Amino acid sequence: DGGITQSPKYLFRKEGQNVTLSCEQNLNHDAMYWYRQDPGQGLRLIYYSQIVNDFQKGDIAEGYSVSREKKESFPLTVTSAQKNPTAFYLCASSSGGRQFNTEAFFGQGTRLTVV
Amino acid sequence: QKEVEQDPGPLSVPEGAIVSLNCTYSNSAFQYFMWYRQYSRKGPELLMYTYSSGNKEDGRFTAQVDKSSKYISLFIRDSQPSDSATYLCAMNPSLNFGNEKLTFGTGTRLTIIP
Repeated sequence: DGGITQSPKYLFRKEGQNVTLSCEQNLNHDAMYWYRQDPGQGLRLIYYSQIVNDFQKGDIAEGYSVSREKKESFPLTVTSAQKNPTAFYLCASSSGGRQFNTEAFFGQGTRLTVV
Repeated sequence: QKEVEQDPGPLSVPEGAIVSLNCTYSNSAFQYFMWYRQYSRKGPELLMYTYSSGNKEDGRFTAQVDKSSKYISLFIRDSQPSDSATYLCAMNPSLNFGNEKLTFGTGTRLTIIP
């Protein structure tokens, strides 16, 4: 079945540590996205990538880093510079390009907690 | 002021009732409007999208857009307990989500009481 897989589902991080969240898709989508969801804030865009080896900052990129070495994969690293990392992280993908495209497919999310 | 405003709720209604969920927006560039449903601890899934003023119906769901008032609504008829979820509106200036980032509302948490 095609879809987006995020792992792990739950992640605990100690203060000062970097952690990497995995996102893999087998939909052959060009574009991939990372969102952060907090209560009362909705979804906020962290980073997005429209093509392999290229990515752009979203609205809240500080304290995060990404890579896009393969079309299928878009890992997100939450660095120690992110002051308030506890949140629900969602990865999404879409076909991108110039064709009609309104649907973003989301993964099931990773809940990150700083302990 | 946020570009997209959505009442966070929570909203509780009895089973079988008609539910009305709403968003307002301030950016005239938004032309395409989507509703996502998100169950607890899951990723959002697309319910409906529309790009013209007026109504679009899909089963028990109707999406309504009023561009002159910058106001969109989602109506759920004959609501079921399985409709209990958070509903997020999202908007885009163009058809191409790959080139424009979606702007989301904060979501409305809906509970249907059996």
